[in-house]
Amino acid sequence: SQTIHQWPATLVQPVGSPLSLECTVEGTSNPNLYWYRQAAGRGLQLLFYSVGIGQISSEVPQNLSASRPQDRQFILSSKKLLLSDSGFYLCASKQGPYNSPLHFGNGTRLTVT
Amino acid sequence: AQTVTQSQPEMSVQEAETVTLSCTYDTSESDYYLFWYKQPPSRQMILVIRQEAYKQQNATENRFSVNFQKAAKSFSLKISDSQLGDAAMYFCAPLRAQKLVFGQGTRLTINP
Repeated sequence: SQTIHQWPATLVQPVGSPLSLECTVEGTSNPNLYWYRQAAGRGLQLLFYSVGIGQISSEVPQNLSASRPQDRQFILSSKKLLLSDSGFYLCASKQGPYNSPLHFGNGTRLTVT
Repeated sequence: AQTVTQSQPEMSVQEAETVTLSCTYDTSESDYYLFWYKQPPSRQMILVIRQEAYKQQNATENRFSVNFQKAAKSFSLKISDSQLGDAAMYFCAPLRAQKLVFGQGTRLTINP
């Protein structure tokens, strides 16, 4: 079964600083990978998804970017963080038939101060 | 854009009782898939149950079952014999173009 590793678990960064969140997947190959963000007490908003190395689709315009340098590595970045970037970031992986569910990592809680 | 509506921001139920969480969605597709996820205080997203739209039979997983009304675009989750460990946020999520679209969630509290 798939295991999704995310780090760090928590992060406090000042406004204007850069960001790099990493997600790696074990137990599968050529998965679809996703970055979601969850505001406090709200649902999950899809930020980016990738169907393969170097293939990134952005769902919403924002201050963030994503990259997939390896098959099972997905990175979320920002050059300059905004206060509005605070939230809970979840990486997810999907592999197999179309109706396969997404498997999620444990998330990163980002606070921009 | 596909929208998902969970009209109950919060629900509570007595331990061992049954509770139903509602979800409606819109889609123009005839074949699709629907999921319920739970998010306990640990914030880990856990798959609860899934339903294929082409199947008339409602999905069941132990104490969890769905009432899928395709024409009404309704996908409710029933939890029987509620347990304290069921306390969590519950999210309805249709799958479209390999992406899950989440509702705003229902916070379920279990009263001992």
